[in-house]
Amino acid sequence: GENVEQHPSTLSVQEGDSAVIKCTYSDSASNYFPWYKQELGKRPQLIIDIRSNVGEKKDQRIAVTLNKTAKHFSLHITETQPEDSAVYFCAANEGYSTLTFGKGTMLLVSP
Amino acid sequence: DAGVIQSPRHEVTEMGQEVTLRCKPISGHDYLFWYRQTMMRGLELLIYFNNNVPIDDSGMPEDRFSAKMPNASFSTLKIQPSEPRDSAVYFCASSSSPDTQYFGPGTRLTVL
Repeated sequence: GENVEQHPSTLSVQEGDSAVIKCTYSDSASNYFPWYKQELGKRPQLIIDIRSNVGEKKDQRIAVTLNKTAKHFSLHITETQPEDSAVYFCAANEGYSTLTFGKGTMLLVSP
Repeated sequence: DAGVIQSPRHEVTEMGQEVTLRCKPISGHDYLFWYRQTMMRGLELLIYFNNNVPIDDSGMPEDRFSAKMPNASFSTLKIQPSEPRDSAVYFCASSSSPDTQYFGPGTRLTVL
């Protein structure tokens, strides 16, 4: 089955800096890659996703890039703010219906 | 739309008791997923349904766990008997396509 590795497990940045979280996947058939943000005690919420026919997607301060050849994708957050502090999960679809999640990255943005 | 609804939000029970978690998916969504989240194991898919039919239950830890979806607007996850190692946050998610999933608020289960 699909295996998703996520790095780093924790990331500390200063407010205004950029943050990058990277994920690799194993199944070359995967074609959908969402990113979820989970604040403490809350549900995972979809923040951005990308499909395999696109190399990059942006939404304001966040962007995701995909390299299908290397089987890795990354989340980029620019001009980080304290409210960006949360756990971020990457995922890749497995087969037709399910998602395999990475272990998560705890992002801490210090004022 | 109210989003995915789960109840209860918190459940504290004693070892050996039966626990029932409930989920109402987003109206019109035909996929429903049950996940368990722990610090050690992250987000684990337990089971998922398509059009009320269980498709893959390979993630269900053992026979103590069972899930049903009697209609398009309701699903249950039952643990009987419960054990302390079942303590976790259980999320329900739904989707209208096979991939984009929307999560409920979760049920925090504590088994003493």
